[in-house]
Amino acid sequence: DGGITQSPKYLFRKEGQNVTLSCEQNLNHDAMYWYRQDPGQGLRLIYYSQIVNDFQKGDIAEGYSVSREKKESFPLTVTSAQKNPTAFYLCASSIGGTLAGTQYFGPGTRLLVL
Amino acid sequence: SQQGEEDPQALSIQEGENATMNCSYKTSINNLQWYRQNSGRGLVHLILIRSNEREKHSGRLRVTLDTSKKSSSLLITASRAADTASYFCATDGTETSGSRLTFGEGTQLTVNP
Repeated sequence: DGGITQSPKYLFRKEGQNVTLSCEQNLNHDAMYWYRQDPGQGLRLIYYSQIVNDFQKGDIAEGYSVSREKKESFPLTVTSAQKNPTAFYLCASSIGGTLAGTQYFGPGTRLLVL
Repeated sequence: SQQGEEDPQALSIQEGENATMNCSYKTSINNLQWYRQNSGRGLVHLILIRSNEREKHSGRLRVTLDTSKKSSSLLITASRAADTASYFCATDGTETSGSRLTFGEGTQLTVNP
């Protein structure tokens, strides 16, 4: 099956702790994205990567970090500097290029603060 | 920044009726896309319309685009209870670099059986 997976489905963070959300795709897509969604709201872009070993900040990058060492993987770390991390996090991928095509989304990770 | 704004925020209709959702945006675009999200799930792509297209159909979906008014509408005909979901428009702005999209706030559609 081709697709994009995220793990875990639920994640609990203690104060002062860094946590990492996993995102893997086997669609052979060049571009990958991380979004944050708060209740009843739209998606806000955190970081995106258009090619391996390269990534750019989105609209709300503060308190987050990413890496893109492999084409298939784009993990997101929520650092202790992110003071309000409780949200639904969505990862997506697309073929990439200069124009935005269809994005394929994972099932999401819900992050809760203990 | 949120480029797309959907209207209405929430819509409740009876099964069999048509549902119309609108999206307005602020800057020039290469294309506009509509996505659907069931509660607590990821988004699913529905349809993409390019800036030089005015209307596009896919099954029970009809999308229009008016670049002079910077607006788009999504029409779902003969709605079903299974169409209950949030619907988002997303724009590929000509001024943004690469392949990123900007999503709107969404319309929550409820189709009552």
